[in-house]
Amino acid sequence: AQKVTQAQTEISVVEKEDVTLDCVYETRDTTYYLFWYKQPPSGELVFLIRRNSFDEQNEISGRYSWNFQKSTSSFNFTITASQVVDSAVYFCALSEVVMNRDDKIIFGKGTRLHILP
Amino acid sequence: DTEVTQTPKHLVMGMTNKKSLKCEQHMGHRAMYWYKQKAKKPPELMFVYSYEKLSINESVPSRFSPECPNSSLLNLHLHALQPEDSALYLCASSHPSGTPFFGPGTRLTVL
Repeated sequence: AQKVTQAQTEISVVEKEDVTLDCVYETRDTTYYLFWYKQPPSGELVFLIRRNSFDEQNEISGRYSWNFQKSTSSFNFTITASQVVDSAVYFCALSEVVMNRDDKIIFGKGTRLHILP
Repeated sequence: DTEVTQTPKHLVMGMTNKKSLKCEQHMGHRAMYWYKQKAKKPPELMFVYSYEKLSINESVPSRFSPECPNSSLLNLHLHALQPEDSALYLCASSHPSGTPFFGPGTRLTVL
């Protein structure tokens, strides 16, 4: 069965510090997608990134970067030079891709990130 | 148009009321989802519609009744809810095996 573990429940850092959010996943499938979503206090889930299981290239988008390592089943997310606006709950999620079956996306429990001014 | 809209934003209802949540997207997505999110918890999948047919029901109680009138619209009909059903209800849509994009949610309070 699929499982996503975000061991850090809550993290607080001072503005401009770098912070890494951990995500470890379990799946029996060889084909799957991994996601990160941001949920600010307003409640809307904002899509950040999707990675498929065959693409282990790390990705950088501005201050955000992602490190995908299949060997350790991890998909970690780093914010560089954090800002107060980065304060939110961040969810890592996993979906298995199975022929002729609709995808189910399973979320981790989320990490609540506080950026202190 | 690259967004999912949900109405109403907030809803307060009594346990004997009947109400509906509405979700709309115009991105040509053929998969639509309802998720329920309790405070300080992750979203939990309730239903998936694929090509306007219900394809996944995660053993949701019958007091929640989904409906997909067409490829752009998804409704969730509510009847005889309990206070523990109070939550944020999120709608999402995607292409098949694509990335789900979420709406802003409806905050439901059941008195």
